[in-house]
Amino acid sequence: RKEVEQDPGPFNVPEGATVAFNCTYSNSASQSFFWYRQDCRKEPKLLMSVYSSGNEDGRFTAQLNRASQYISLLIRDSKLSDSATYLCVVIDSGYALNFGKGTSLLVTP
Amino acid sequence: NAGVTQTPKFRVLKTGQSMTLLCAQDMNHEYMYWYRQDPGMGLRLIHYSVGEGTTAKGEVPDGYNVSRLKKQNFLLGLESAAPSQTSVYFCASVRSGSSYNEQFFGPGTRLTVL
Repeated sequence: RKEVEQDPGPFNVPEGATVAFNCTYSNSASQSFFWYRQDCRKEPKLLMSVYSSGNEDGRFTAQLNRASQYISLLIRDSKLSDSATYLCVVIDSGYALNFGKGTSLLVTP
Repeated sequence: NAGVTQTPKFRVLKTGQSMTLLCAQDMNHEYMYWYRQDPGMGLRLIHYSVGEGTTAKGEVPDGYNVSRLKKQNFLLGLESAAPSQTSVYFCASVRSGSSYNEQFFGPGTRLTVL
């Protein structure tokens, strides 16, 4: 099985802080990359896709480094509502997702 | 538009009992998936379907069977439940086409096997 590795955390940060997560993947032929968010006891939901050129959505920035085989997620100006588990997801071929085990984020007042 | 729904939400079984989990989607998606999520393990693919009448094995298919008789429904069956099948089960669907398409997940079924 192709591996997707994440630091499980937890990352405890104060409101307003900037926090970054990394994720490494083992298959150099991987095609598509995503960050999903999962709240406690809920289903995963797409946060953002990760493009080769990098992409930004408000306070969230995702980067892909194919040479080093990792993707990153940067969250600026953290909010309490950002507390969740962030799942790194990689598609090797076809349409089956390979999930990392997730990184837990807790934003505190 | 309800998206992806799962039935039941919770279930407790005894070892050896059987049950079927139902996943339904109203988005006319071609592809459907069953995952299980265990603490510290992440989501793992059990079975998937790329269209009505077709199914395929994923990473952890043993002990499970599936059927896709209608495009909108994907059933996951446990013929003889075991405690190792205690887990949270998520169904997902995606519109066929680019691998960049978002997978939509159902709310999950929490299964306990005693």
